[in-house]
Amino acid sequence: GENVEQHPSTLSVQEGDSAVIKCTYSDSASNYFPWYKQELGKRPQLIIDIRSNVGEKKDQRIAVTLNKTAKHFSLHITETQPEDSAVYFCAANILTGGGNKLTFGTGTQLKVEL
Amino acid sequence: DSGVTQTPKHLITATGQRVTLRCSPRSGDLSVYWYQQSLDQGLQFLIQYYNGEERAKGNILERFSAQQFPDLHSELNLSSLELGDSALYFCASSSRGASGEETQYFGPGTRLLVL
Repeated sequence: GENVEQHPSTLSVQEGDSAVIKCTYSDSASNYFPWYKQELGKRPQLIIDIRSNVGEKKDQRIAVTLNKTAKHFSLHITETQPEDSAVYFCAANILTGGGNKLTFGTGTQLKVEL
Repeated sequence: DSGVTQTPKHLITATGQRVTLRCSPRSGDLSVYWYQQSLDQGLQFLIQYYNGEERAKGNILERFSAQQFPDLHSELNLSSLELGDSALYFCASSSRGASGEETQYFGPGTRLLVL
């Protein structure tokens, strides 16, 4: 089955700096790659996603890149702010028998320090 | 607020017991997914239903079962509970994208504690 690896597990940056989180996936049939932000005790919230036919997508301070050949994708947050502090999860989706399976990475705890 | 609702918010029960978690999807979404989030296992996909039918299965234990009703709400039944079943259980619902992938929106979760 699909396996998603995520690095780093923790990331500490200064306010205003950039943060980069990287993920790799194993199944080349994966077609959709969402990123979720989860604050302590709350629901995962979709922040950006990218489909397999696109190499890069940007939404204000957040961008995602996808390299299908290398099977890796990355989240880039620029001009980080304290409210960006949370756990970030990458995920890879695969279509299977009429359904969808979303496999998550193990998460990155991002801390933005003042 | 994602539009996905889950009840109850918290549940405390004893080993060996059975519980039912409930989820209502966003208006118009036909797919419902269940996930388990524990400290040592991260977010694990359990099962997907689409318009009342099971569509995909993950690492769901035989002690666990789910169903989706005609009004599209879903229930996750957990039986013969063990201490290790203590976790956050999330439901998500989705709308279908152009390539068949489905963007999933998560509910607030049910925190289950088995004592």
